[in-house]
Amino acid sequence: DVKVTQSSRYLVKRTGEKVFLECVQDMDHENMFWYRQDPGLGLRLIYFSYDVKMKEKGDIPEGYSVSREKKERFSLILESASTNQTSMYLCASSQQGGGYGYTFGSGTRLTVV
Amino acid sequence: GENVEQHPSTLSVQEGDSAVIKCTYSDSASNYFPWYKQELGKGPQLIIDIRSNVGEKKDQRIAVTLNKTAKHFSLHITETQPEDSAVYFCAASKAAGGGNKLTFGTGTQLKVEL
Repeated sequence: DVKVTQSSRYLVKRTGEKVFLECVQDMDHENMFWYRQDPGLGLRLIYFSYDVKMKEKGDIPEGYSVSREKKERFSLILESASTNQTSMYLCASSQQGGGYGYTFGSGTRLTVV
Repeated sequence: GENVEQHPSTLSVQEGDSAVIKCTYSDSASNYFPWYKQELGKGPQLIIDIRSNVGEKKDQRIAVTLNKTAKHFSLHITETQPEDSAVYFCAASKAAGGGNKLTFGTGTQLKVEL
């Protein structure tokens, strides 16, 4: 069964900490994405990558960075966590090109205290 | 950029009734429109999609319609069952080039009551 795996379901971090969220996919997909999900705001794109070592900013990249050293792995980094980054984070992957649906991971619920 | 609006934000129906969720998009170049279902504690899962060269697509109790002229598309669920209770998201993208970036609506919480 194909899947996108996010390393943690729940995380609690302190303000100012550097936080790493890891995502791995086993479908050999070129595209990978990080979204955050907040009530009433839907899914908002933080960053995406369409190839190894390639990244592009999404709609809300401020306070985040990403790393894609291998095709199957896409990491989201919160350089200095803040309380307004408390959210559900969803990783997804898809085939190259347009017109393909995403496969999502189960999400990481991050709480910054 | 693309903007997708989704209505209603919450929808409550009786088991066996139909449910309709509507979305509008702003970019006339968008040509791929998927729908996702998110159950509690899980990530969104693709349930049906439609491309702009098709006006309607059906898969058992689920159907999606697309009106390119009006730039809106809808999800129709017939004979609703309790397991249809979930959050549904619509999305839109342009099927060209790399990236395949989807813009999502804000979601509809569907509750199917017994």
